[in-house]
Amino acid sequence: AQSVAQPEDQVNVAEGNPLTVKCTYSVSGNPYLFWYVQYPNRGLQFLLKYITGDNLVKGSYGFEAEFNKSQTSFHLKKPSALVSDSALYFCAVVSRSSASKIIFGSGTRLSIRP
Amino acid sequence: DTEVTQTPKHLVMGMTNKKSLKCEQHMGHRAMYWYKQKAKKPPELMFVYSYEKLSINESVPSRFSPECPNSSLLNLHLHALQPEDSALYLCASSQDPASGGASEQFFGPGTRLTVL
Repeated sequence: AQSVAQPEDQVNVAEGNPLTVKCTYSVSGNPYLFWYVQYPNRGLQFLLKYITGDNLVKGSYGFEAEFNKSQTSFHLKKPSALVSDSALYFCAVVSRSSASKIIFGSGTRLSIRP
Repeated sequence: DTEVTQTPKHLVMGMTNKKSLKCEQHMGHRAMYWYKQKAKKPPELMFVYSYEKLSINESVPSRFSPECPNSSLLNLHLHALQPEDSALYLCASSQDPASGGASEQFFGPGTRLTVL
């Protein structure tokens, strides 16, 4: 069965420190990988994606993600966290064989303390 | 215009009511989606429209009826809902179904539905 795992329900980081939100996947082939962010009472916003090429992908608001094929991981990172980064983050995967169906991870709540 | 709009923002309905949710995008996207999201959970896919045709129905109960009148509009008709259907309903669109899933999805702000 295809799945996406976000092992941490919550990540707490002090403002100015680096942050990492973890994501691993179990999807056959070479899937497309995405990160979305959701602020309270809002829809999801696209942050970044990996399709092919360079393993380090840069996205919106200073976020980046590193694709690791051998570990089937796609961790989200930011060098210096802001309080405004506090939100719910979803990793997502699309299999090339079922292209219309996106599989979301369970979500990680990121909390940045001043 | 890079927005997906949804109306209404909030909806309260009884179990015998009929109501509709509306979604609109003017980005020229040819794939549109309905999701259901419970609190603190990921969105669950309900329906996918590709080039205005229903391509995926994730075994959604018939009390939910989608409609895609044209390439910019997506409706979700609701009838005889149950209290457990209370959730945030999200609409999304993406550029080109032929891209094979590589296109990111643009989400609307959602409709918060409460069924009494």
